[in-house]
Amino acid sequence: DTEVTQTPKHLVMGMTNKKSLKCEQHMGHRAMYWYKQKAKKPPELMFVYSYEKLSINESVPSRFSPECPNSSLLNLHLHALQPEDSALYLCASSQRGGGTSQETQYFGPGTRLLVL
Amino acid sequence: AQSVSQHNHHVILSEAASLELGCNYSYGGTVNLFWYVQYPGQHLQLLLKYFSGDPLVKGIKGFEAEFIKSKFSFNLRKPSVQWSDTAEYFCAVNANTGFQKLVFGTGTRLLVSP
Repeated sequence: DTEVTQTPKHLVMGMTNKKSLKCEQHMGHRAMYWYKQKAKKPPELMFVYSYEKLSINESVPSRFSPECPNSSLLNLHLHALQPEDSALYLCASSQRGGGTSQETQYFGPGTRLLVL
Repeated sequence: AQSVSQHNHHVILSEAASLELGCNYSYGGTVNLFWYVQYPGQHLQLLLKYFSGDPLVKGIKGFEAEFIKSKFSFNLRKPSVQWSDTAEYFCAVNANTGFQKLVFGTGTRLLVSP
């Protein structure tokens, strides 16, 4: 099973709202990722967690706050977003996430976010 | 910084035509290479990957790709496309120098007409 699940599928929020995106995997992977994909663009890495620790933050604005409560769950907390943050947010997971290991990232279906 | 180029942004083919999508990357060290496909309304799925060994790799649905180190290329091929291959195809590279950071190409939109 190579399934990564994400909830919700769609989210509409105002610029003053606080919301959270959720990602879950049960493949025993210890690395999880958040990507942002704008329309007709490739996915761009935002954050990497490896063994529940934040390993990479690609200079993402603080209005995006990731959280990895355990090895199966990854959250993205959203606060005071801007309309330009509207995008498809993708979660992925891989075996360990570190070093020079040969790993494959498996992606979830994404949450389509619209900020009004 | 590593970068990935996909020169074909839009490709239109008739069913049964052969397909080749180009992918070039800029990193000179050891790389892991991937092709992902995104069917309309669906999530990114792995088509195939190259880590080491035989530079000709076979993936799902009849796709294959060839890693040519001297050309920094990892082109995707399929001898005979089907209407169901209509999708967006992304080449991705991990420079294998630390954390698993995938860098994607800009994607190629393939339309196969029946």
